[in-house]
Amino acid sequence: GDSVTQMEGPVTLSEEAFLTINCTYTATGYPSLFWYVQYPGEGLQLLLKATKADDKGSNKGFEATYRKETTSFHLEKGSVQVSDSAVYFCALRGSGSARQLTFGSGTQLTVLP
Amino acid sequence: IAGITQAPTSQILAAGRRMTLRCTQDMRHNAMYWYRQDLGLGLRLIHYSNTAGTTGKGEVPDGYSVSRANTDDFPLTLASAVPSQTSVYFCASSDSKRSTDTQYFGPGTRLTVL
Repeated sequence: GDSVTQMEGPVTLSEEAFLTINCTYTATGYPSLFWYVQYPGEGLQLLLKATKADDKGSNKGFEATYRKETTSFHLEKGSVQVSDSAVYFCALRGSGSARQLTFGSGTQLTVLP
Repeated sequence: IAGITQAPTSQILAAGRRMTLRCTQDMRHNAMYWYRQDLGLGLRLIHYSNTAGTTGKGEVPDGYSVSRANTDDFPLTLASAVPSQTSVYFCASSDSKRSTDTQYFGPGTRLTVL
């Protein structure tokens, strides 16, 4: 079945550092890929998405490129801020009837001033 | 526009008790979902509904039931709660008729079963 493997955390960075959170997936067909962010005490919010190979999703300075050849969707940001501290989830949506999301285990990011 | 609301925000429940978690959306989305979030496991799908009047089982459906009497509401019921159902529960909805549908999540319900 579908699965998502996500870089384990926690990750601690200084403000303005470069961020990479790795995500690889296993799925049949052509899944859509997502990054969700969860701020403390809140629900998940969509950060960015990509629906086909070589698409780049971007939002709030974050980027991720759908790489079918390496089955990856790594999240990057050139300069993180304290306000980026949150848990980040990589997810895919397959082509099944449920159209459910399959999530990675989440990566806790803490950015220090 | 409220989006998705969930109630209660948190609950402590004795094992063996019945509990219904409420979820309401005002976006007229056809599809709704219930996930549970456990540390180190991400979110796992419990049940889903593609349209009012239909439901389906997700990855971890045992011990839970759902109903979808109308478009807006999707309650999740624990008939006889057990400690392993201690978790944070998230409801989500989407317009799944769109090829690039996005799931929108509620704020969650933190449930503790003692």
